[in-house]
Amino acid sequence: QSVLTQPPSVSAAPGQKVTISCSGSSSNIGNDYVSWYQQLPGTAPKLLIYDSDKRPSGIPDRFSGSKSGTSATLGITGLQTGDEADYYCGTWDTSLSSGVFGGGTKVTV
Amino acid sequence: EVQLVESGGGLVKPGGSLRLSCIASGFSFTSHTMNWVRQAPGKGLEWVSSLTSSSFYKHYADSVKGRFTISRDNAKNSLYLQMNSLRVEDTAVYYCARVGEGIQVMIMDVWGQGTTVTVAS
Repeated sequence: QSVLTQPPSVSAAPGQKVTISCSGSSSNIGNDYVSWYQQLPGTAPKLLIYDSDKRPSGIPDRFSGSKSGTSATLGITGLQTGDEADYYCGTWDTSLSSGVFGGGTKVTV
Repeated sequence: EVQLVESGGGLVKPGGSLRLSCIASGFSFTSHTMNWVRQAPGKGLEWVSSLTSSSFYKHYADSVKGRFTISRDNAKNSLYLQMNSLRVEDTAVYYCARVGEGIQVMIMDVWGQGTTVTVAS
């Protein structure tokens, strides 16, 4: 069982929007920034969002992140079939002194 | 081109050992903390270990503490993971990942392609 909790799957039609939640506690999300990763089938993960709401260069603004208290959210607008992937949230847990990931959310378009 | 290339994976019996390597190129390896992250078949990502640029700070997941050792050779732009007392549950794809500039260990902006470790009798 993962320290961070994500829904197993979300789905929406092309062009629509989805949001993915990531729930933690005061020792992880409540105390640190959140990163989000996209993993397309058969490939390595890719950084999508860092510092909870910042996008690395090259990541389209269809992807957004936010954080409030002990939860974080990834939003994807204008869904495309190429967005079908697994999405993971991650952060540092001060109580465990270790990195932690959510269990991952499969997005279906 | 910024790149990380892992090697050293393979099939090993329970209780055995394996050493993974990750060679970095295209960036200043000595400026970055490095991580190992693994993914068991059909499962999610699991952070395994982190090592700062000077090798001063090391962190391990509880699941590997005491069995795995992370190290680096900055002169060779290389990161290593020595895995001892391997268990069936260590079977996974192991990724080497670069931590971005700054202190946030979980901001991994460059990933390798992964190397597969299978622990089975």
